[in-house]
Amino acid sequence: EDQVTQSPEALRLQEGESSSLNCSYTVSGLRGLFWYRQDPGKGPEFLFTLYSAGEEKEKERLKATLTKKESFLHITAPKPEDSATYLCAVQVTGFQKLVFGTGTRLLVSP
Amino acid sequence: GAGVSQSPSNKVTEKGKDVELRCDPISGHTALYWYRQSLGQGLEFLIYFQGNSAPDKSGLPSDRFSAERTGGSVSTLTIQRTQQEDSAVYLCASSPQDTQYFGPGTRLTVL
Repeated sequence: EDQVTQSPEALRLQEGESSSLNCSYTVSGLRGLFWYRQDPGKGPEFLFTLYSAGEEKEKERLKATLTKKESFLHITAPKPEDSATYLCAVQVTGFQKLVFGTGTRLLVSP
Repeated sequence: GAGVSQSPSNKVTEKGKDVELRCDPISGHTALYWYRQSLGQGLEFLIYFQGNSAPDKSGLPSDRFSAERTGGSVSTLTIQRTQQEDSAVYLCASSPQDTQYFGPGTRLTVL
């Protein structure tokens, strides 16, 4: 069964304290791995798509990386406005739907 | 440009009533998806539409759930005889290819 596991479930950081979120996956074949950000009461906001092991994408303080078994979302010098739930999802070869993890709730304190 | 819109934003209903949730996708996006997000759980796939092809209904949890997409654009998700376990946020997404762009969701509460 295709599965996505995110860790930690919750993470508290001080402003400027860099860290990484983990997304491990077990799929029959990976078509793409997606990172989203979700603020309370809103829909997920697209951040990155990664397609193959070794690929990296960056946007402002965020950097996503991909290996054959997991992805990391690195947050460098976070700010309070980075506080949100970060969702990881995979798209399996031959299918269009996304399979989501349960997310990491990030709180960045000033 | 305009993103995915959903209506209503909130819906409170009584157990046993039928509800309809609406999704307006981004113009030009051929694919449309419905997901459900329950408290403490990840997003759960419900149904997928692509152009004029038969929809992928493999995620619908029971025959009380149905959806249609008219004219390749607007979609309606219908839940008949609602149950308390149907309470969740229902999210719609549209896509031009791989990346899915989500709407704000409809929060459904079944009393």
